Amino acid sequence: DSGVTQTPKHLITATGQRVTLRCSPRSGDLSVYWYQQSLDQGLQFLIQYYNGEERAKGNILERFSAQQFPDLHSELNLSSLELGDSALYFCASSHGLEYNEQFFGPGTRLTVL
Amino acid sequence: KNEVEQSPQNLTAQEGEFITINCSYSVGISALHWLQQHPGGGIVSLFMLSSGKKKHGRLIATINIQEKHSSLHITASHPRDSAVYICAVKWKEYGNKLVFGAGTILRVKS
Repeated sequence: DSGVTQTPKHLITATGQRVTLRCSPRSGDLSVYWYQQSLDQGLQFLIQYYNGEERAKGNILERFSAQQFPDLHSELNLSSLELGDSALYFCASSHGLEYNEQFFGPGTRLTVL
Repeated sequence: KNEVEQSPQNLTAQEGEFITINCSYSVGISALHWLQQHPGGGIVSLFMLSSGKKKHGRLIATINIQEKHSSLHITASHPRDSAVYICAVKWKEYGNKLVFGAGTILRVKS
């Protein structure tokens, strides 16, 4: 158990819908990272937050947004969902701003029908 | 060309064998990460390296910054080592962006 929690574990929805994925980092970790793992693209970095502020952006679509709240949990919002958004979404946390070891959550499996 | 290349893509070994998985990268990095992903999907961080060598149990990771190459070794392999092993680099030019290799699928037979 990494100490990082993600909800829900599985999510099935339809094209055009909007969903919210939630992540709670390890106690004391200030950085939260979001990743997408799809069959054709592998693991890709989406976005990083540190202590409530966006710090780095990767291959995140404009239809996707994220935020980190004062209690340090983070949410990833996916809207206007397309079939190609079906993937595993991982959250990871680390203690500092600079790259420390990251601890991964169990992931949320999103299926868009 | 991908910034991070792993080899082999697939590896089947007999229990007890010594295993090596390689990772080469083409960009300047500040750190390299080895991850393990089990069939259920969960990802575990094995090592984070910026130089030299690290050892944890039967796992050894090395990195050569000048040659832009890292290796993950598993000694006395066991069926429970069967997983996907992923190399990821922190791309220096792009701050905290992690770039991932495609992964090596390892199967250890008893």
